[in-house]
Amino acid sequence: GNSVTQMEGPVTLSEEAFLTINCTYTATGYPSLFWYVQYPGEGLQLLLKATKADDKGSNKGFEATYRKETTSFHLEKGSVQVSDSAVYFCALTPDTGGFKTIFGAGTRLFVKA
Amino acid sequence: EAQVTQNPRYLITVTGKKLTVTCSQNMNHEYMSWYRQDPGLGLRQIYYSMNVEVTDKGDVPEGYKVSRKEKRNFPLILESPSPNQTSLYFCASSPSGSYGYTFGSGTRLTVV
Repeated sequence: GNSVTQMEGPVTLSEEAFLTINCTYTATGYPSLFWYVQYPGEGLQLLLKATKADDKGSNKGFEATYRKETTSFHLEKGSVQVSDSAVYFCALTPDTGGFKTIFGAGTRLFVKA
Repeated sequence: EAQVTQNPRYLITVTGKKLTVTCSQNMNHEYMSWYRQDPGLGLRQIYYSMNVEVTDKGDVPEGYKVSRKEKRNFPLILESPSPNQTSLYFCASSPSGSYGYTFGSGTRLTVV
């Protein structure tokens, strides 16, 4: 079946460090891939997405590239800020026309000043 | 402002007492969904709806009911809540599966 696996956290970085959060998926065909961010006490917000192979989603300095050959969608940011501290979720929606979006377990990021 | 509104934000109830969590969206989205979030388990889908009067089970539907009588509303009903339904619940809506969701702010439910 379809699944999403992301790196366990927490991830602790100093301000201006480079961020990578790994995400791999299992799905047939070409699912749509997403990263969501959840700040403390809030709901999830869509951060970026990609809907076909080799697409790069980007937003607020974050990027992720849809890699079909490695079934991956790793999240990266060149220079993190304290305000980026949050929980990040990788997710996929199958391309079968259904609507059962599947989320990873989430990765908590702490950024120290 | 485009948004998904859930109520209440916090709820403490006793085992067996029926409750309803409301969800409303003002974006004319066809798709709506309920998730529960538990530590270490991420988000798990409870029910989803592709349009008015069209609903289907997600991965953890036991103990929950939903209805979609109007496009904007998608309430979650717990007919006889139990302590294992203590969780953080999110409602979300989307115009399509490849578009991504807009989430509500969440409802933290405690069943004692």
